[in-house]
Amino acid sequence: EDQVTQSPEALRLQEGESSSLNCSYTVSGLRGLFWYRQDPGKGPEFLFTLYSAGEEKEKERLKATLTKKESFLHITAPKPEDSATYLCAVQAPGANSKLTFGKGITLSVRP
Amino acid sequence: NAGVTQTPKFQVLKTGQSMTLQCAQDMNHNSMYWYRQDPGMGLRLIYYSASEGTTDKGEVPNGYNVSRLNKREFSLRLESAAPSQTSVYFCASTLYANEKLFFGSGTQLSVL
Repeated sequence: EDQVTQSPEALRLQEGESSSLNCSYTVSGLRGLFWYRQDPGKGPEFLFTLYSAGEEKEKERLKATLTKKESFLHITAPKPEDSATYLCAVQAPGANSKLTFGKGITLSVRP
Repeated sequence: NAGVTQTPKFQVLKTGQSMTLQCAQDMNHNSMYWYRQDPGMGLRLIYYSASEGTTDKGEVPNGYNVSRLNKREFSLRLESAAPSQTSVYFCASTLYANEKLFFGSGTQLSVL
């Protein structure tokens, strides 16, 4: 059974204080690992897809990296508007394989 | 650009009542999904439709039914609501089954 564990559950940072969010996974062959951002009262919004170990993707202050067992979402010099819940999901191979989501990490950035 | 539209946004039901959650997407996507999100748990797949005319069970299908009305619309029906179905429900769509999901804004459902 595919499993995704995200840590920590919640993270409070001061504006400008860089940190990383962790996503550990167990899957029978990884087709893709997805990161989403979810604001309160809204649906998740896609951030990145990573496909193979060593791959990195960046968007503004966010950088996602992938190893064979985990992914990190690095946040550099965060701003209050980066406050949100960040979801990680994995997808196994297969034509119609579905995503397995983690519980999410709630990030709060104080001004 | 509407994307994925869900109705209603909020609903309160009594145990045993029925209702249908509506979802429509305007991106010409092939695949559509229904998820539920509960505190302390990840998003869990209820049902999905890989393409128009097909539907399949997800992780937690009991107590729900779905209809893929056409390529744009995918509805979720609760025939006899139970308190355990109190949750936030999200509809999502994607062009093909293995690509990134686009989510609606959710329906907050309370069953008393």
